Amino acid sequence: AQSVTQLDSHVSVSEGTPVLLRCNYSSSYSPSLFWYVQHPNKGLQLLLKYTSAATLVKGINGFEAEFKKSETSFHLTKPSAHMSDAAEYFCVVSDILTGGGNKLTFGTGTQLKVEL
Amino acid sequence: DGGITQSPKYLFRKEGQNVTLSCEQNLNHDAMYWYRQDPGQGLRLIYYSQIVNDFQKGDIAEGYSVSREKKESFPLTVTSAQKNPTAFYLCATSRGFFGQGTRLTVV
Repeated sequence: AQSVTQLDSHVSVSEGTPVLLRCNYSSSYSPSLFWYVQHPNKGLQLLLKYTSAATLVKGINGFEAEFKKSETSFHLTKPSAHMSDAAEYFCVVSDILTGGGNKLTFGTGTQLKVEL
Repeated sequence: DGGITQSPKYLFRKEGQNVTLSCEQNLNHDAMYWYRQDPGQGLRLIYYSQIVNDFQKGDIAEGYSVSREKKESFPLTVTSAQKNPTAFYLCATSRGFFGQGTRLTVV
């Protein structure tokens, strides 16, 4: 089974400084990887997705992530944090279900705090 | 606009009651999923359905039931057998689209 590990449960940055949210994955084959964002009491919004095309994936709101097979990592970055980026972020791997189809396996989340 | 609609947004259940959470989609996606979210644990898969009239148990199906009579609808029933039902429930379709969630609280 696939799995993901988010290395930091909480990250705090100042507005205007870079953001780095770390994710490592475990996979027996080439995975599909995702980053989602969740604001309080809201559903999940897809930020970006890697599906074995370009290793540097650009997403919405200025976020991007780089797939590094040698390091089994898929870290999320943004050059300059904005107050509206404060939320919880989930790294996700797509796993194959018995009987066909895919399920999403979630990391435990990273809470991003942005300070003035 | 296409999307996934979950209702209600907040739901309160008494001990021993069954409650049903609604999930409707107009994206014409074949697969639908129910996840449960607890603080510090990410999301866990409860049930999924690849096609109409077919569904499979996920990782934490005990105490839950589902039906898939229509492509657009995938309701989740939280039964009295679910020992700790208080959580945030999220419905999703294939390609990773999520609804806005239902927060269920046992009172």
